[in-house]
Amino acid sequence: SQQGEEDPQALSIQEGENATMNCSYKTSINNLQWYRQNSGRGLVHLILIRSNEREKHSGRLRVTLDTSKKSSSLLITASRAADTASYFCATEVGGSNYKLTFGKGTLLTVNP
Amino acid sequence: KAGVTQTPRYLIKTRGQQVTLSCSPISGHRSVSWYQQTPGQGLQFLFEYFSETQRNKGNFPGRFSGRQFSNSRSEMNVSTLELGDSALYLCASSSAVGVHHNEQFFGPGTRLTVL
Repeated sequence: SQQGEEDPQALSIQEGENATMNCSYKTSINNLQWYRQNSGRGLVHLILIRSNEREKHSGRLRVTLDTSKKSSSLLITASRAADTASYFCATEVGGSNYKLTFGKGTLLTVNP
Repeated sequence: KAGVTQTPRYLIKTRGQQVTLSCSPISGHRSVSWYQQTPGQGLQFLFEYFSETQRNKGNFPGRFSGRQFSNSRSEMNVSTLELGDSALYLCASSSAVGVHHNEQFFGPGTRLTVL
């Protein structure tokens, strides 16, 4: 079974709006990472947040982590058409170093 | 630095055949991981190599195997191909310094179609 589950499965917004995607996981983690994938190509790493961190920012991206709820959120502000992609969360589970477990992703469509 | 490269980019095979996929990591990266991506199962971890040793393995049958060379380049092999092996195979490299993962850098993938 998937360790991480993204919600929603699909999201459609207008350019300029904010997009929020959520990820829930089942077991304790070492870190959680977010990746973007454009149309069946390779994944691009966006941000890594460690289990002892609560929030991280990178440009227009903001990631939060709530280990008590076993959940994370990715916020993309002022979205652009180029942000259209699938977004995945991936968790590194304690005791399983170097193995990332991915969720099934959120397909974000940003309409111009 | 050049990114992660994978060859070939596209491959068509028939059931029962075997296939070898190649991955060249970013220079200096010693960890190489392989993933299978399908519409139904999503991204699934196959295995990870570090300094020519398999450190971690996913839940795939023994038909899936891999190896890593002294220059960190890696290959994965799938024997006795089945229709369900059709997928995008992604390779990722990481500096993997220390105990926990750093970010992984992915290649463009090899699209395998089994007929």
